[in-house]
Amino acid sequence: DIVMTQSPDLLTVSLGERAIINCKSGQSVLYNSDNKNYLAWYQQKAGQPPRLLISWASIRESGVPDRFSGSGSGTDFTLTISSLQAEDVAVYYCQQYYSTPRTFGQGTKVEIK
Amino acid sequence: VRLLESGGGLVQPGGSLRLSCVASGFAFSDYAMHWVRQTPGKGLEWLSAIGDSGFATYYAGSVKGRFTISRDNSENTLFLQMNSLRADDTGLYYCVKAQASVPVAGDYWGQGSLVTVSS
Repeated sequence: DIVMTQSPDLLTVSLGERAIINCKSGQSVLYNSDNKNYLAWYQQKAGQPPRLLISWASIRESGVPDRFSGSGSGTDFTLTISSLQAEDVAVYYCQQYYSTPRTFGQGTKVEIK
Repeated sequence: VRLLESGGGLVQPGGSLRLSCVASGFAFSDYAMHWVRQTPGKGLEWLSAIGDSGFATYYAGSVKGRFTISRDNSENTLFLQMNSLRADDTGLYYCVKAQASVPVAGDYWGQGSLVTVSS
């Protein structure tokens, strides 16, 4: 199984400041045949199901604000919120879909300072 | 897109449940589907997936041999048959639509069906 490790577990950021969440996979999730990273980021607000923010490591879903961006390749990935808004308070998860089982990170809780 | 799960409830250890997920708003037979559960202790746990046609199935080790995923494309419905349930199977079970015919990222999630395994 590919272990996904996120850091930090808790991130406290002031409104308007940048938030950076890291995700490290136990092995590469870059598929050489198509040069794609099989990595997604999800946002889960309290009492709601998760919402897909980013797929293929850096492709923002339709309707996702452009302050959210994903980067990285191979085993190291980052989700950046360029200017934190109050509505961004949530738990964020990375997930690899390179192999079975499709494992999630443990989650990073983002709060307002 | 709408995904409506049902079939959850309270079951004794060793018992069985069958979850259903009725899909609408998209061409169900063109997309793979996932089941993901959430527990307070373990966060999000991917359980199983099925390809668009239903022939390809995928399982996490924790449920392989106990859970069976299936789909009825004529009824736009996804199923999860859960046998030999244990206390640590307790959680909120989500039905998730994949972005493609194979189980890649999940772009739509249902509200979940609560399963409680307890005597």
